[in-house]
Amino acid sequence: EVQLVDSGGDLVQPGGSLRLSCATSGFTFTSYSMNWVRQAPGKGLEWVSFVSPGDSTVHYADSVRGRFTISRDNAKNSVYMQMNSLRAEDTAVYYCVRGNGVGWSNPKYYFDSWGQGTLVTVSS
Amino acid sequence: EIVMTQSPATLSVSPGERATLSCRASQSISSKLAWYQQKPGQAPRLLISGASARATGVPARFSGSGSGTEFTLSISSLQSEDFAIYYCQQYDNWPATFGQGTKVEIK
Repeated sequence: EVQLVDSGGDLVQPGGSLRLSCATSGFTFTSYSMNWVRQAPGKGLEWVSFVSPGDSTVHYADSVRGRFTISRDNAKNSVYMQMNSLRAEDTAVYYCVRGNGVGWSNPKYYFDSWGQGTLVTVSS
Repeated sequence: EIVMTQSPATLSVSPGERATLSCRASQSISSKLAWYQQKPGQAPRLLISGASARATGVPARFSGSGSGTEFTLSISSLQSEDFAIYYCQQYDNWPATFGQGTKVEIK
């Protein structure tokens, strides 16, 4: 059974930092791209970041580029997101998501497995 | 960035009736369209990819159709567990983008 377990969400002040983690199991981790997708309270879904299976290619939404860094550890079947310079508008549930599709420089992926989500609240 | 527009925002349907949800892309996305179901307090769940291919374990009452810019998700006979929010997502052109969602509620 495919499992993704998100963790690391917390209450943080504006300008602060946080690191999210996602532990996976039940599939060949090195065969899949991994992503973070977020959902602000009462709002829709927003793709945030992508990392290719070999960690060689990453992509970011414009809203987080330069502040967030995605990475993965294929030995631990885990993916991470370092979040710096956090803003109130980053408040959301963050989901670790497995990508299914093709391409790295021009990805074409849908999201076939989701973690349970971890809540990040940015507030003073 | 491709904009995905879903309609209606809310759909009121009686159990056992058919529901039809629409999703429109701001430019052609071929058949690179996925549908997700989200229940309160839960993560989204993949229902359909490639506009019409049901994901593993998805009941046959869910069907997707369309290509280009116009897509439809149909639920043939609504069950109590189908009342949820449904999102479409295009993956033809990065970044992947989602519609704003259609809430299917009990009439």
